[in-house]
Amino acid sequence: GAGVSQSPSNKVTEKGKDVELRCDPISGHTALYWYRQSLGQGLEFLIYFQGNSAPDKSGLPSDRFSAERTGGSVSTLTIQRTQQEDSAVYLCASSPSVNTEAFFGQGTRLTVV
Amino acid sequence: AQKVTQAQTEISVVEKEDVTLDCVYETRDTTYYLFWYKQPPSGELVFLIRRNSFDEQNEISGRYSWNFQKSTSSFNFTITASQVVDSAVYFCALSGRRTSGSRLTFGEGTQLTVNP
Repeated sequence: GAGVSQSPSNKVTEKGKDVELRCDPISGHTALYWYRQSLGQGLEFLIYFQGNSAPDKSGLPSDRFSAERTGGSVSTLTIQRTQQEDSAVYLCASSPSVNTEAFFGQGTRLTVV
Repeated sequence: AQKVTQAQTEISVVEKEDVTLDCVYETRDTTYYLFWYKQPPSGELVFLIRRNSFDEQNEISGRYSWNFQKSTSSFNFTITASQVVDSAVYFCALSGRRTSGSRLTFGEGTQLTVNP
């Protein structure tokens, strides 16, 4: 596709369940980011992948959060044992290389009930 | 570490007024990049501009203009003759290779409301 694609667009889950959020970046983009945006808040950095380098995981809020990027393309963000405070919009972005503009997907709205 | 500060949480103007959104940044990188993004009510972040630290020339694009001043570590954004469609949250962001591995650091955002 032409842009960054995220799925699902909305996810409602019960507290304690695991969830997987998917991001398809723009083809050929080497950098991929995950951010979290809580209602009315700014963008909280979660994790950053750049090419074959080790990912920058410094923003992951707890060990319940993990992410992988397979084959330098699709990325999955996994949240284990979800908590209500995990409710937010999870945004994925990709960019052609380092320090270039990032293009964002529409986000996945996660609601933990 | 790097940091972006957008001190204005909310701004409200009347249509056709000019409005400036402030952005101040901190970085130890000598080479870095600054960005502005717009997030309309639909939620998708839209890229507006990217500047590198070696280029302090101001830029104008239609009703939008950007003022980059390294001496004050600021990268301000002005909308001239604002329109209702400009209502959105605007984010300033920074990336730099050495201290942060090039990840994007965003400010808290400024909610701009343009009233008819």
